[in-house]
Amino acid sequence: KAGVTQTPRYLIKTRGQQVTLSCSPISGHRSVSWYQQTPGQGLQFLFEYFSETQRNKGNFPGRFSGRQFSNSRSEMNVSTLELGDSALYLCASSLPTLAGRNEQFFGPGTRLTVL
Amino acid sequence: GDSVTQMEGPVTLSEEAFLTINCTYTATGYPSLFWYVQYPGEGLQLLLKATKADDKGSNKGFEATYRKETTSFHLEKGSVQVSDSAVYFCALSGATGNQFYFGTGTSLTVIP
Repeated sequence: KAGVTQTPRYLIKTRGQQVTLSCSPISGHRSVSWYQQTPGQGLQFLFEYFSETQRNKGNFPGRFSGRQFSNSRSEMNVSTLELGDSALYLCASSLPTLAGRNEQFFGPGTRLTVL
Repeated sequence: GDSVTQMEGPVTLSEEAFLTINCTYTATGYPSLFWYVQYPGEGLQLLLKATKADDKGSNKGFEATYRKETTSFHLEKGSVQVSDSAVYFCALSGATGNQFYFGTGTSLTVIP
């Protein structure tokens, strides 16, 4: 079974630009979560989608948005990039339960550098 | 709200030493608890999990026991190897939704 895939793996952007990251979950997984990982802040939860609906949201500004498609693939978008947005963005998928509590399977991440 | 507090690192051990990484949690209800490991340049991998009190998760020689009375889920390994060098994250999944709460991570370096 293929794991979680994220594209692109590396990205370099300049301040003010916008970026879209993509995540394909494990087949059959309907929940997709996004995290931002930085050396200073650690692993921070961005949002979670389940059946195309945002179910949970972390404490990030509105410049960070996401969506999920009917095939469970997900994208996240960051507009008006700032230097502080440089980070490893991780996507995780999990099996379809409404109650949650299943383990999450992580992709390798997208390394975003903002210059 | 739910949270996880994890032992600060970095931790440096000699090969075959005993490892303990402390993790305590705050949660309403009965969360599921997890340990994830992140090797350099990779995403997180599930190491072990426990879904109810007194459960013991184990994998690759690592163990952790869900202690509700002390709200803890400490990670242990009897004899570490150089290949265990990585960052370890404690996490919980609360009673509703699928939101995970992660600790800050503990970096482990094992020297030969």
